[in-house]
Amino acid sequence: EDQVTQSPEALRLQEGESSSLNCSYTVSGLRGLFWYRQDPGKGPEFLFTLYSAGEEKEKERLKATLTKKESFLHITAPKPEDSATYLCAVQAAGYGGATNKLIFGTGTLLAVQP
Amino acid sequence: EPEVTQTPSHQVTQMGQEVILRCVPISNHLYFYWYRQILGQKVEFLVSFYNNEISEKSEIFDDQFSVERPDGSNFTLKIRSTKLEDSAMYFCASSEAPGTSEFFGPGTRLTVL
Repeated sequence: EDQVTQSPEALRLQEGESSSLNCSYTVSGLRGLFWYRQDPGKGPEFLFTLYSAGEEKEKERLKATLTKKESFLHITAPKPEDSATYLCAVQAAGYGGATNKLIFGTGTLLAVQP
Repeated sequence: EPEVTQTPSHQVTQMGQEVILRCVPISNHLYFYWYRQILGQKVEFLVSFYNNEISEKSEIFDDQFSVERPDGSNFTLKIRSTKLEDSAMYFCASSEAPGTSEFFGPGTRLTVL
């Protein structure tokens, strides 16, 4: 069964304290891995798509990396406005053909204190 | 910047009633999706829609649910005979093509009393 596990569940950082969030996945052929940011009561906001092992993407203080079994979201010198839940999702190639659905993890709740 | 919009932002209904949730996907996108998120739980896939038909649906998406693209801009989710357990945030999303990034709307919070 396709599955996504994120860790830690919650992370509290001081402003400027860099860290990484983990997303490990089990999927029947990876079509794509997606990172989203979600603020309370809002929809997921797209951050990155990664398609193959070794790929990296960057945006401001965030950098996403991908291996064959997991992805990391590195946050460099975070600011309080980076506080949110970060969601990882995968799209599977599937045995019977590619699927368009995203399978989400439970997310990491990040709190950055000033 | 183009964005997915959803109405209403909050819908309160009585158990057993029918509700229609509305979405306007990004204009040049061809693939449309509905997801839901029960409070404190994962975002769950409900259905995907392409070329005026359902391309994939989850086990959750049973006969109680239906989707429609009534015109060139709107995409709707109808929930018939709502149950208490249908209370959740419902998100619409769209993408240009399969395997590309899905962009989500702000959601409709459905409360079934």
